[in-house]
Amino acid sequence: EPEVTQTPSHQVTQMGQEVILRCVPISNHLYFYWYRQILGQKVEFLVSFYNNEISEKSEIFDDQFSVERPDGSNFTLKIRSTKLEDSAMYFCASTQGAGNSPLHFGNGTRLTVT
Amino acid sequence: GESVGLHLPTLSVQEGDNSIINCAYSNSASDYFIWYKQESGKGPQFIIDIRSNMDKRQGQRVTVLLNKTVKHLSLQIAATQPGDSAVYFCAEIPSGGSYIPTFGRGTSLIVHP
Repeated sequence: EPEVTQTPSHQVTQMGQEVILRCVPISNHLYFYWYRQILGQKVEFLVSFYNNEISEKSEIFDDQFSVERPDGSNFTLKIRSTKLEDSAMYFCASTQGAGNSPLHFGNGTRLTVT
Repeated sequence: GESVGLHLPTLSVQEGDNSIINCAYSNSASDYFIWYKQESGKGPQFIIDIRSNMDKRQGQRVTVLLNKTVKHLSLQIAATQPGDSAVYFCAEIPSGGSYIPTFGRGTSLIVHP
């Protein structure tokens, strides 16, 4: 069964550094998402992406964040200057059709900012 | 504001029992609902979904019930197994707009052998 894959599984970085989290969505999916989950809390929406542009973003997704689909398979989340409070699990998800089919999630990247 | 919440943060059951996990939603415009299971160290895994034109849907050992009158969603797991131990989230998706799933905080299901 096709799945969403994310790399790396764990990223440790120093405060102020840039990180890029990588995702390969399911190949025939059209809508892509990033969510994050701070330890012990709920899964929070960051951004959605469709047709090579951001379709929705939350308040969390400020100017320090950006997303890109550099080719036909990868979907990346960049944090330009990491803060301690960016430490969380970051999940990528994809779906065929927004609003009528479930999101399929990867296993996440654990980001630790020191 | 709109919210998705869960009545019980932790549910402990014996292996073989049936489990019921509840979820309250407040956005009356939501018309699509999904249950996810999250095991430790993994991403949310799709279990079952239901649209607002239905009040019940069954899968393998799982049933989702939707009560639109009281804005309540439940997930029933039959003959619960230790492998069912996980955190269960409901997600609601509003119609006619962003189609962004909003998650509740989750219920931790603990199955004792």
